[in-house]
Parts: sequence; structure tokens; C-alpha cells
Amino acid sequence: AQRVTQPEKLLSVFKGAPVELKCNYSYSGSPELFWYVQYSRQRLQLLLRHISRESIKGFTADLNKGETSFHLKKPFAQEEDSAMYYCALKDSGGSNYKLTFGKGTLLTVNP
Amino acid sequence: ETGVTQSPTHLIKTRGQQVTLRCSSQSGHNTVSWYQQALGQGPQFIFQYYREEENGRGNFPPRFSGLQFPNYSSELNVNALELDDSALYLCASSSRAGASYNEQFFGPGTRLTVL
Repeated sequence: AQRVTQPEKLLSVFKGAPVELKCNYSYSGSPELFWYVQYSRQRLQLLLRHISRESIKGFTADLNKGETSFHLKKPFAQEEDSAMYYCALKDSGGSNYKLTFGKGTLLTVNP
Repeated sequence: ETGVTQSPTHLIKTRGQQVTLRCSSQSGHNTVSWYQQALGQGPQFIFQYYREEENGRGNFPPRFSGLQFPNYSSELNVNALELDDSALYLCASSSRAGASYNEQFFGPGTRLTVL
């Protein structure tokens, strides 16, 4: 069964510090990995996906199949990055768009 | 372009009752997925509808059922409510062309409380 693990429920950093939100997955096939973000009082929205290999709002994430990880990184955190972050996995070979989410990490960036 | 909308925003029911939650998909989207998000957890996939038919289901009992209408809007029905059904229910819509899916867009959710 596919599983996504986010080991940190809470992460607190200071503005300008690097931030890394960890995500590990368990899946036997070839997964697609995503990071979703939920800002306060807003709906869940896609931040980035590994197949795009892009940087969004300064965030990047690299899929490491050897370590089954998809950690989210940003070199210099901003206060507006404070939000709930969810890592999610999709079965790339599936016939439907089912996402399996981790439990999320609440990031707080302090001034 | 109108985003995904859900109704009602909040709902309180008692054990054993039945509930219907509604979702209007984003313009141009033909696929709707439902997720349950319990407190402190990530969203958990309930099922997905495409062209008015169920297209995949998560680990939820049959008392969770759904519909998709010709205009691609959808309903989630839960019978015989249990206390553990208390959660935020999220609807997400996307467009599908053949085997290719585009990004899912989430609605604001319906907060269901079962007493």
C-alpha cells in the first residue's frame, strides 16, 4: 500500500533561515509526488510537482528514489511562507487521480 | 473562471442520521474527487467521479456514496452517521482527457460535526 510520511508536525524557523520540510514515501511503482500548501483561511492548493522540476515561491523539491524522499526546501524563509504543507503521492499508472497525503507539517516563520 | 464551491460550509448532525454534501466543479472540469480530512490528519481519498460514474474508491464503507450530475457537479452522501465521520470534507475537481489528468483544484470544504 502506498504511504506518505511527514515526520515533523511542527517546524519553526526564523526569517531568512533555510527551511526543509521532510517527506518520505512508500510505493512499489513509479510515483508522482506533489507538495500542497494551505495558508491560513485559504483552501488547499498545489505548490509544486516533481515532474515539473520547477521552483515556486523559492521552493524546490527533488525526488530521490533511492531514499524514497521528496523533501521541500527553501534557502531563505519568509514570514509569508507560514502555512500547512502536505506532501502527496499519485499512482502514475492508475486509472484515476487518487492522491495519498501525509499528515502535514505546520511551518511557522518567525520575524 | 469560477473555482470549486461546496455547500454547506458547516453542518451538525446526530449519530444515525444521513447527510448530503454538495460540490460544484470548476468551469471546464469533468472529474470530481472527494476527500475526508479528520482533525490533525491529511486528506484521505474517498472516491472519484468521471462522466457520472465512480472511477476509483478509497478505503471507505458503502454507506459513503456519491453522484455526479451531467453538469459535473457532485454529491457525497453518508448514511448512518458515526461520531468518527466528524471531519472536513473536501471536494476537488480536475479535467481528464483520456488517461491524462490535470491538476486538482480543491474547494473550501464542508465541516461536518456528528454528535
